[in-house]
Amino acid sequence: DAKTTQPPSMDCAEGRAANLPCNHSTISGNEYVYWYRQIHSQGPQYIIHGLKNNETNEMASLIITEDRKSSTLILPHATLRDTAVYYCISSGDYKLSFGAGTTVTVRA
Amino acid sequence: DTGVSQNPRHKITKRGQNVTFRCDPISEHNRLYWYRQTLGQGPEFLTYFQNEAQLEKSRLLSDRFSAERPKGSFSTLEIQRTEQGDSAMYLCASSFRGAMTDTQYFGPGTRLTVL
Repeated sequence: DAKTTQPPSMDCAEGRAANLPCNHSTISGNEYVYWYRQIHSQGPQYIIHGLKNNETNEMASLIITEDRKSSTLILPHATLRDTAVYYCISSGDYKLSFGAGTTVTVRA
Repeated sequence: DTGVSQNPRHKITKRGQNVTFRCDPISEHNRLYWYRQTLGQGPEFLTYFQNEAQLEKSRLLSDRFSAERPKGSFSTLEIQRTEQGDSAMYLCASSFRGAMTDTQYFGPGTRLTVL
């Protein structure tokens, strides 16, 4: 079962930053926070992950609160191609437990 | 650098037939995972291998399902006597289990339709 909570949907304007929240209040000390996204009919695409420090890569930034109970994925300049279902997952080992994710729609 | 590949991409079969899917992981990845995804749901874990050893099987993996990774490289997932409830997207992922995290990278999936 998924151990994270995400809003079911959100809209974002093209060119603006998209901030996707995730609650993981029961996260264990050795569990990482992973973000994936899935564009319709494709396999999930890895975006970023972190343990307790904020992380940034070419796709996004991940901000994790100091108590590690929540995090925010930031897409700095959303494009229409960023429309997808975004999954936040906490995992310490082999199994990724996907919830329903957040359906993000980027509008022109 | 090629990613995870899966074949076939689509499979339509009649109820009661056997089907087999293949997954080729990213080169040098020692872990391989199978997930199943039904319409409107997130992927669900089925099983995983470390090298050629199958280390974990979900209760979702009934006796009709069998997975192999004979030489620690590619893997096959076979479903015997398919049922309409087996219709789903079957996803394969691979990772390298190192000292820190092992990030899973997914293939495009095989969409199975059982008529």
